[in-house]
Amino acid sequence: GQQLNQSPQSMFIQEGEDVSMNCTSSSIFNTWLWYKQDPGEGPVLLIALYKAGELTSNGRLTAQFGITRKDSFLNISASIPSDVGIYFCAGQLGNSGYALNFGKGTSLLVTP
Amino acid sequence: EAQVTQNPRYLITVTGKKLTVTCSQNMNHEYMSWYRQDPGLGLRQIYYSMNVEVTDKGDVPEGYKVSRKEKRNFPLILESPSPNQTSLYFCASSLTGGTTEAFFGQGTRLTVV
Repeated sequence: GQQLNQSPQSMFIQEGEDVSMNCTSSSIFNTWLWYKQDPGEGPVLLIALYKAGELTSNGRLTAQFGITRKDSFLNISASIPSDVGIYFCAGQLGNSGYALNFGKGTSLLVTP
Repeated sequence: EAQVTQNPRYLITVTGKKLTVTCSQNMNHEYMSWYRQDPGLGLRQIYYSMNVEVTDKGDVPEGYKVSRKEKRNFPLILESPSPNQTSLYFCASSLTGGTTEAFFGQGTRLTVV
């Protein structure tokens, strides 16, 4: 699979702060995805991006598909304790490549 | 309720003792896959299946087997488990291979001693 570089590896923030994480790749992807994994659970899809430059929001979450198609970022505004978890980016080549290539994850801790 | 069900959730076994982790989905999805999750490495794909009787290797297939005799089931088989296969395993399914939304099971934590 393709190597994705996700940063930061972990974040420890206070409730109410904004959070930003990003993912870069040496390869071009046709789709970028952001997943969240709660402790003891499987990953759940948060946002899917299908077009270069696309900016998509889902409540307090905003994600963008980079113009070069080699990067994406996820922002969380006004964080709350239930935002705690591991966030994964994933890229999919599409067409001939269906596998999801995952980043190594960003572990987010939010203190009240 | 649409879901992907894995069993068991936790398993401790000894080196060399064959085991099977089951995965079942009730969404009539064509595409199913297995991942392992290790600290600092994220999720890596082991095997995937595009449809019944169609399986292929992912990034880390060594030491694993799969089968897809029915659409809903995709078991992961470890013929001779070794300690380096101690990991957290996830099964996932999606409508088709080209569909981006993959639904994940709750995971199986395997320890091989």
